[in-house]
Amino acid sequence: GIQVEQSPPDLILQEGANSTLRCNFSDSVNNLQWFHQNPWGQLINLFYIPSGTKQNGRLSATTVATERYSLLYISSSQTTDSGVYFCAVENYGGSQGNLIFGKGTKLSVKP
Amino acid sequence: EAQVTQNPRYLITVTGKKLTVTCSQNMNHEYMSWYRQDPGLGLRQIYYSMNVEVTDKGDVPEGYKVSRKEKRNFPLILESPSPNQTSLYFCASSPQGVGAGANVLTFGAGSRLTVL
Repeated sequence: GIQVEQSPPDLILQEGANSTLRCNFSDSVNNLQWFHQNPWGQLINLFYIPSGTKQNGRLSATTVATERYSLLYISSSQTTDSGVYFCAVENYGGSQGNLIFGKGTKLSVKP
Repeated sequence: EAQVTQNPRYLITVTGKKLTVTCSQNMNHEYMSWYRQDPGLGLRQIYYSMNVEVTDKGDVPEGYKVSRKEKRNFPLILESPSPNQTSLYFCASSPQGVGAGANVLTFGAGSRLTVL
């Protein structure tokens, strides 16, 4: 099945710094989403982005489907950005509804 | 408030004692799914349902059952729990299938299950 790899696994930033999180996938996708899990365990969708670029405040995401990767950019990071970031994909031509998650990037933003 | 509600939030049980984790959504979503989260493994899909009476296995369905008799509810059943099912479980829903348009997942708060 499709493989999803996220990098880096861990990231420590000083407040105000920028960061880029990467998600590589091994096959074509028709669905890609980014999620943030806060330190209390709550999972929130950030972007639905199977291709192209989107921005929401300090966060933006770009998916280059032909090269099988997606990037999540966090600018001017804040302590509330801490947590784990997951990307999840659905394989194009695979079972609709079967969503595969990466292992996540754990981000710690220090004040 | 639009939400996905899971119960119980925390449960400690013993091997072999059947249990059910309930999941209910009030958004009239067609798609619902269950995931388990284990340290270092991310989230892995257990079962999903595209609509009432339609369920499919995810990547780790062994030891679990589900049913979708009505649109709002999608319970996860552990017929004979074992210690390797100790995990954090999440239910999620979306309007019309994960692969259709901009249908994003809404997650429940999670259920932490410990099997002794």
